Formats: sequence, C-alpha cells, structure tokens
Amino acid sequence: EVQLVESGGGLIQPGGSLRLSCAASGFTVSSNYMTWVRQAPGKGLEWVSVIYSGGSTYYADSVKGRFTISRDNSKNTLYLQMNSLRAEDTAVYYCARGIIPDSYWGQGTLVTVSS
Amino acid sequence: QSALTQPASVSGSPGQSITISCTGTSSDVGSYNLVSWYQQHPGKAPKLMIYEGSKRPSGVSNRFSGSKSGNTASLTISGLQAEDEADYYCCSYAGSSTLFGGGTKLTVL
Repeated sequence: EVQLVESGGGLIQPGGSLRLSCAASGFTVSSNYMTWVRQAPGKGLEWVSVIYSGGSTYYADSVKGRFTISRDNSKNTLYLQMNSLRAEDTAVYYCARGIIPDSYWGQGTLVTVSS
Repeated sequence: QSALTQPASVSGSPGQSITISCTGTSSDVGSYNLVSWYQQHPGKAPKLMIYEGSKRPSGVSNRFSGSKSGNTASLTISGLQAEDEADYYCCSYAGSSTLFGGGTKLTVL
C-alpha cells in the first residue's frame, strides 16, 4: 500500500529553520517526481517545490533561496529544509507523489512561524 | 508563477450539473495536457479527481469529468450530491514549475 507520512512541523520563530520529512512506503521515492505543496490557514493550495527522479530541483519564487528539497534514497524519504522562515510561510505542508500530484498525498504537517 | 484563475464559488441543487473553469495561459494550461483537479473537504488532504485533463483515477465517480479548450480547463460534476460539497482546485504543469488555481467552493443547495 502506498503511503506518505510527513513529520517535523511545529512552532518556530521568524528567521528560524525547520526540516520537514516525508517517509514513503509502497513505492520508491528516487524513481518518482516528488512535490511539496502548502496551504496557509483558510487559503488555497500553493506549489512549493519538486524534485525530479533524475535529481533536478525547482522552487516557487516565494521560497527560492530559502528552502531546499532533497531525498534520502536509503530511507526512502523526502525532505524540505526551510531556512529564514517568515510569518507568511505558516501553512500545512503536504508531500505528494508526481510532478503534478497524483492520488498519493501525505496527511500534512503544520508549520507555524510566530514569535 | 501566477496562479490559475478559478471562480471563487459555484452552487447547484442536488441532481443538477455544474462546471468549474480554470483559466491559465499558453505557457501552462494551453501548452500541456497535464491538468489535474482535486477535491478537498475541510481538514483533509486533497483528493485527485481528474488527471491529464480528462482521465479519472480508479474509484472516482464517473459523475466527474474534465475537458480543456485552449488555455481553459473545466471540471464538470453531474448529478450533484450533498457529498460533493467541497473546495475544488485545478493544477497545471508549467515547465519548471506547477501552478494551482485559487480554488472554488462548491455549495450544494
């Protein structure tokens, strides 16, 4: 069974750093495109980043230079390193399989940036 | 990286059909047959309803259909049911990025 489980969210002060994890089972992360999507409270979905199976990475302008997507093939896990966090980064962060997310999404992890 | 344009809200009575539009540009919706639609109920993760413009994943009701004309994609829900009340988002590949629509709240009257 395909499953994605995010972790690592929490309350963080502005300017701080946080690393989100997305543990996958039922398929191989490194063989797929993997995407991070976020949703601010009461707002719509926003694409954040993608990592291609070949390793190329792309970012939304809003996070470029601050966030880094990566994966650990041995752990079959996707990551999102988030630095220089701002209040506007407050959101539920979802990992999903696919360059356009397919049927497999995680349950989401809440990141709150506040002093 | 501008969001795709969707109506903020649509409504319909049980049994009726509704259509939600998603307007992009020739750089995204108009260039690729990679448009997906998601249904999201409050507090839940999005659920894929349509992919590659018009294909339905296994288990999704055939009351849901998708189409595209030029730079605009559309989601049609026929035979509206109370359980269809949710937020709907379109999504398109755009080269080195992916774009979501702003979301449409569907109310079943």
